[in-house]
Amino acid sequence: DAGVIQSPRHEVTEMGQEVTLRCKPISGHDYLFWYRQTMMRGLELLIYFNNNVPIDDSGMPEDRFSAKMPNASFSTLKIQPSEPRDSAVYFCASSVYRGYEQFFGPGTRLTVL
Amino acid sequence: KNEVEQSPQNLTAQEGEFITINCSYSVGISALHWLQQHPGGGIVSLFMLSSGKKKHGRLIATINIQEKHSSLHITASHPRDSAVYICASGNFGNEKLTFGTGTRLTIIP
Repeated sequence: DAGVIQSPRHEVTEMGQEVTLRCKPISGHDYLFWYRQTMMRGLELLIYFNNNVPIDDSGMPEDRFSAKMPNASFSTLKIQPSEPRDSAVYFCASSVYRGYEQFFGPGTRLTVL
Repeated sequence: KNEVEQSPQNLTAQEGEFITINCSYSVGISALHWLQQHPGGGIVSLFMLSSGKKKHGRLIATINIQEKHSSLHITASHPRDSAVYICASGNFGNEKLTFGTGTRLTIIP
């Protein structure tokens, strides 16, 4: 298996633009997690899905952030409109079972100018 | 609310030294995860443990449930071990991880 796949790997955009980050989890994994990592706050969970259903989105910072998982092999995290403070590395991770080891994607480094 | 603390924040050692990184948490957990993040950013899961000890190559992870404490040990450290090591607690009843702030390890040749 190729592991968790994220795209793009780098994204530079201007304030106010819409940003869409994509994730393909490992086949057969029932859980998908979106994390954000910054120097100031470290790793933070934004939202996670179980069998394509959002379970906990309490970490989503505000209404500008939204996430979807239309099927078992694809998820998106969208920021609209983007702001400079959204600049961070966004990781997607998946796990096969509740509370089990999580496998991380390579991350998307987002820079909002 | 569970809080996870790691120590030290930064650690520099000579190649070959025995390394210990500590992690403490405040409430009962379902499992403790150790992650490794190399410069360049990729995160790799090293261990997930809920009791006792696990070993993988030169890495050993232990957990003491009563004391709410875990340690990550590296034997015969090597410059390629230089990375940030992050512990994270898995909490009963949900799949959310609570992360420590990480320990930046630098091994000097």
